[in-house]
Amino acid sequence: SQQGEEDPQALSIQEGENATMNCSYKTSINNLQWYRQNSGRGLVHLILIRSNEREKHSGRLRVTLDTSKKSSSLLITASRAADTASYFCATDMVGNKLVFGAGTILRVKS
Amino acid sequence: EAGVAQSPRYKIIEKRQSVAFWCNPISGHATLYWYQQILGQGPKLLIQFQNNGVVDDSQLPKDRFSAERLKGVDSTLKIQPAKLEDSAVYLCASSLDGGGGLEQFFGPGTRLTVL
Repeated sequence: SQQGEEDPQALSIQEGENATMNCSYKTSINNLQWYRQNSGRGLVHLILIRSNEREKHSGRLRVTLDTSKKSSSLLITASRAADTASYFCATDMVGNKLVFGAGTILRVKS
Repeated sequence: EAGVAQSPRYKIIEKRQSVAFWCNPISGHATLYWYQQILGQGPKLLIQFQNNGVVDDSQLPKDRFSAERLKGVDSTLKIQPAKLEDSAVYLCASSLDGGGGLEQFFGPGTRLTVL
Protein backbone atom coordinates (compact mmCIF):
# COMPACT_ATOMS: atom_id res chain seq x y z
CA SER A 1 0.00 0.00 0.00
CA GLN A 2 1.15 3.54 -0.63
CA GLN A 3 1.39 5.84 2.36
CA GLY A 4 1.65 9.15 0.53
CA GLU A 5 -0.90 10.57 -1.85
CA GLU A 6 0.13 13.45 -4.09
CA ASP A 7 -2.21 16.11 -5.34
CA PRO A 8 -2.72 17.07 -8.10
CA GLN A 9 -2.02 14.03 -10.25
CA ALA A 10 -0.93 16.30 -13.09
CA LEU A 11 -0.06 19.97 -13.38
CA SER A 12 0.67 22.07 -16.46
CA ILE A 13 2.09 25.60 -16.11
CA GLN A 14 3.97 28.21 -18.10
CA GLU A 15 7.67 28.77 -17.66
CA GLY A 16 8.30 31.32 -14.92
CA GLU A 17 5.21 30.40 -12.93
CA ASN A 18 5.29 28.67 -9.55
CA ALA A 19 4.27 25.04 -9.11
CA THR A 20 2.82 23.64 -5.89
CA MET A 21 2.39 19.95 -5.19
CA ASN A 22 0.85 18.47 -2.08
CA CYS A 23 1.36 15.19 -0.27
CA SER A 24 -0.78 13.63 2.42
CA TYR A 25 0.14 10.58 4.47
CA LYS A 26 -1.48 8.36 7.04
CA THR A 27 0.88 7.41 9.87
CA SER A 28 3.57 9.09 11.94
CA ILE A 29 6.87 9.62 10.19
CA ASN A 30 10.52 10.31 11.01
CA ASN A 31 11.02 12.40 7.91
CA LEU A 32 9.58 13.08 4.48
CA GLN A 33 11.55 13.26 1.26
CA TRP A 34 10.77 14.58 -2.20
CA TYR A 35 12.20 12.99 -5.33
CA ARG A 36 12.06 13.93 -9.00
CA GLN A 37 11.97 11.44 -11.85
CA ASN A 38 12.48 12.14 -15.51
CA SER A 39 13.50 9.94 -18.38
CA GLY A 40 16.93 11.46 -18.61
CA ARG A 41 18.17 11.14 -15.04
CA GLY A 42 16.00 8.62 -13.25
CA LEU A 43 14.95 9.23 -9.65
CA VAL A 44 16.83 12.04 -7.94
CA HIS A 45 16.56 13.17 -4.33
CA LEU A 46 15.47 16.80 -3.96
CA ILE A 47 15.01 17.58 -0.30
CA LEU A 48 14.43 15.96 3.08
CA ILE A 49 12.43 17.48 5.92
CA ARG A 50 12.45 15.98 9.39
CA SER A 51 9.36 15.55 11.51
CA ASN A 52 10.45 18.34 13.89
CA GLU A 53 10.91 20.83 11.03
CA ARG A 54 8.15 22.96 9.53
CA GLU A 55 9.82 24.46 6.48
CA LYS A 56 12.94 23.96 4.44
CA HIS A 57 14.45 25.67 1.42
CA SER A 58 16.86 24.52 -1.25
CA GLY A 59 17.45 26.84 -4.18
CA ARG A 60 14.09 27.31 -5.92
CA LEU A 61 12.47 24.61 -3.79
CA ARG A 62 10.46 25.21 -0.64
CA VAL A 63 9.03 22.34 1.36
CA THR A 64 6.62 22.58 4.26
CA LEU A 65 5.53 19.89 6.67
CA ASP A 66 2.46 19.91 8.89
CA THR A 67 2.56 16.82 11.09
CA SER A 68 -0.78 17.65 12.72
CA LYS A 69 -2.46 17.47 9.31
CA LYS A 70 -0.10 14.76 8.05
CA SER A 71 0.64 16.75 4.93
CA SER A 72 3.53 18.32 3.06
CA SER A 73 3.84 20.65 0.12
CA LEU A 74 6.58 21.24 -2.44
CA LEU A 75 6.79 24.65 -4.08
CA ILE A 76 8.97 25.20 -7.13
CA THR A 77 9.41 28.89 -7.85
CA ALA A 78 10.15 30.44 -11.26
CA SER A 79 9.72 27.12 -13.02
CA ARG A 80 11.78 26.15 -16.06
CA ALA A 81 11.16 23.72 -18.88
CA ALA A 82 13.82 21.49 -17.32
CA ASP A 83 11.59 21.08 -14.24
CA THR A 84 9.24 18.94 -16.35
CA ALA A 85 9.18 15.60 -14.53
CA SER A 86 7.25 13.45 -12.07
CA TYR A 87 7.56 14.44 -8.42
CA PHE A 88 7.15 11.94 -5.60
CA CYS A 89 6.90 12.33 -1.87
CA ALA A 90 8.29 9.48 0.19
CA THR A 91 7.71 8.96 3.88
CA ASP A 92 10.33 7.42 6.14
CA MET A 93 8.76 5.77 9.15
CA VAL A 94 11.60 3.59 10.35
CA GLY A 95 15.05 2.55 9.23
CA ASN A 96 15.16 4.56 6.02
CA LYS A 97 12.40 2.41 4.57
CA LEU A 98 10.70 4.79 2.14
CA VAL A 99 7.07 4.54 1.08
CA PHE A 100 6.39 6.50 -2.10
CA GLY A 101 3.21 8.10 -3.29
CA ALA A 102 1.89 7.85 -6.84
CA GLY A 103 3.45 11.15 -7.87
CA THR A 104 2.51 14.41 -9.56
CA ILE A 105 3.33 14.86 -13.23
CA LEU A 106 4.54 18.42 -13.82
CA ARG A 107 4.74 19.88 -17.30
CA VAL A 108 6.36 23.28 -17.75
CA LYS A 109 5.61 24.88 -21.10
CA SER A 110 8.11 27.25 -22.65
CA GLU B 1 31.66 9.87 -7.88
CA ALA B 2 30.20 6.93 -9.79
CA GLY B 3 26.48 6.39 -9.35
CA VAL B 4 24.46 3.24 -8.87
CA ALA B 5 24.94 0.92 -11.83
CA GLN B 6 22.28 -1.46 -13.10
CA SER B 7 22.11 -3.94 -15.93
CA PRO B 8 20.54 -4.77 -18.22
CA ARG B 9 18.64 -1.57 -19.00
CA TYR B 10 15.89 -3.38 -20.88
CA LYS B 11 14.67 -6.95 -20.89
CA ILE B 12 11.83 -8.65 -22.75
CA ILE B 13 10.85 -12.19 -21.78
CA GLU B 14 7.95 -14.58 -22.16
CA LYS B 15 5.82 -15.41 -19.12
CA ARG B 16 7.09 -18.34 -17.10
CA GLN B 17 10.69 -17.57 -18.09
CA SER B 18 13.26 -16.45 -15.55
CA VAL B 19 15.22 -13.21 -15.46
CA ALA B 20 17.95 -11.68 -13.33
CA PHE B 21 18.93 -8.07 -12.69
CA TRP B 22 22.24 -6.83 -11.39
CA CYS B 23 23.07 -3.80 -9.26
CA ASN B 24 26.32 -2.25 -8.14
CA PRO B 25 25.77 0.41 -5.45
CA ILE B 26 27.84 3.48 -4.74
CA SER B 27 31.13 2.53 -3.16
CA GLY B 28 30.92 2.58 0.63
CA HIS B 29 27.14 2.46 0.81
CA ALA B 30 26.11 -0.18 3.32
CA THR B 31 22.41 -0.23 2.49
CA LEU B 32 20.97 -1.43 -0.80
CA TYR B 33 17.34 -1.40 -1.90
CA TRP B 34 15.37 -2.98 -4.73
CA TYR B 35 12.16 -1.28 -5.81
CA GLN B 36 9.47 -2.21 -8.31
CA GLN B 37 7.82 0.66 -10.18
CA ILE B 38 4.73 -0.18 -12.21
CA LEU B 39 3.73 2.33 -14.87
CA GLY B 40 1.85 5.26 -13.36
CA GLN B 41 2.78 4.38 -9.77
CA GLY B 42 5.50 5.28 -7.33
CA PRO B 43 8.31 2.86 -6.52
CA LYS B 44 7.47 0.06 -4.10
CA LEU B 45 10.18 -1.38 -1.88
CA LEU B 46 10.79 -5.08 -2.49
CA ILE B 47 13.82 -5.73 -0.31
CA GLN B 48 16.36 -3.82 1.78
CA PHE B 49 19.86 -5.08 2.59
CA GLN B 50 22.20 -3.79 5.26
CA ASN B 51 25.62 -5.00 4.16
CA ASN B 52 24.81 -8.59 3.14
CA GLY B 53 21.94 -9.12 5.56
CA VAL B 54 18.24 -8.67 4.79
CA VAL B 55 16.59 -5.88 6.79
CA ASP B 56 13.15 -5.95 5.19
CA ASP B 57 11.68 -8.25 2.56
CA SER B 58 8.06 -8.04 3.65
CA GLN B 59 6.82 -7.00 0.20
CA LEU B 60 8.93 -9.42 -1.82
CA PRO B 61 6.80 -12.15 -3.47
CA LYS B 62 9.01 -14.91 -2.20
CA ASP B 63 7.35 -17.65 -4.22
CA ARG B 64 8.90 -16.19 -7.38
CA PHE B 65 11.30 -13.40 -6.42
CA SER B 66 14.69 -13.85 -4.79
CA ALA B 67 17.56 -11.50 -4.09
CA GLU B 68 21.03 -11.76 -2.72
CA ARG B 69 23.87 -9.46 -1.88
CA LEU B 70 27.03 -11.45 -1.59
CA LYS B 71 30.01 -9.82 0.14
CA GLY B 72 27.88 -6.78 0.94
CA VAL B 73 28.47 -5.06 -2.40
CA ASP B 74 26.78 -6.15 -5.64
CA SER B 75 23.28 -7.52 -5.64
CA THR B 76 21.11 -9.59 -7.95
CA LEU B 77 17.33 -9.79 -8.10
CA LYS B 78 15.78 -12.82 -9.78
CA ILE B 79 12.26 -13.59 -10.93
CA GLN B 80 11.38 -17.20 -11.62
CA PRO B 81 8.90 -17.78 -13.18
CA ALA B 82 7.82 -14.37 -14.44
CA LYS B 83 4.18 -13.34 -14.72
CA LEU B 84 2.59 -10.68 -16.92
CA GLU B 85 2.05 -8.46 -13.87
CA ASP B 86 5.80 -8.37 -13.23
CA SER B 87 6.18 -5.95 -16.14
CA ALA B 88 7.68 -2.88 -14.48
CA VAL B 89 10.86 -0.92 -13.96
CA TYR B 90 13.12 -2.43 -11.31
CA LEU B 91 15.11 0.20 -9.49
CA CYS B 92 18.14 -0.32 -7.32
CA ALA B 93 19.14 2.31 -4.76
CA SER B 94 21.77 2.68 -2.10
CA SER B 95 22.41 4.82 0.95
CA LEU B 96 25.26 5.23 3.39
CA ASP B 97 23.40 3.18 5.97
CA GLY B 98 19.88 2.35 6.99
CA GLY B 99 19.72 4.50 10.07
CA GLY B 100 17.09 6.82 8.69
CA GLY B 101 17.14 10.38 7.47
CA LEU B 102 19.40 9.67 4.55
CA GLU B 103 18.82 10.26 0.88
CA GLN B 104 18.79 7.28 -1.39
CA PHE B 105 20.68 7.26 -4.66
CA PHE B 106 18.92 5.48 -7.49
CA GLY B 107 20.22 3.69 -10.52
CA PRO B 108 18.71 4.11 -13.99
CA GLY B 109 16.53 1.01 -13.59
CA THR B 110 15.81 -2.08 -15.66
CA ARG B 111 12.62 -1.98 -17.70
CA LEU B 112 11.13 -5.49 -17.79
CA THR B 113 8.43 -6.46 -20.25
CA VAL B 114 6.78 -9.85 -19.78
CA LEU B 115 4.85 -11.08 -22.84
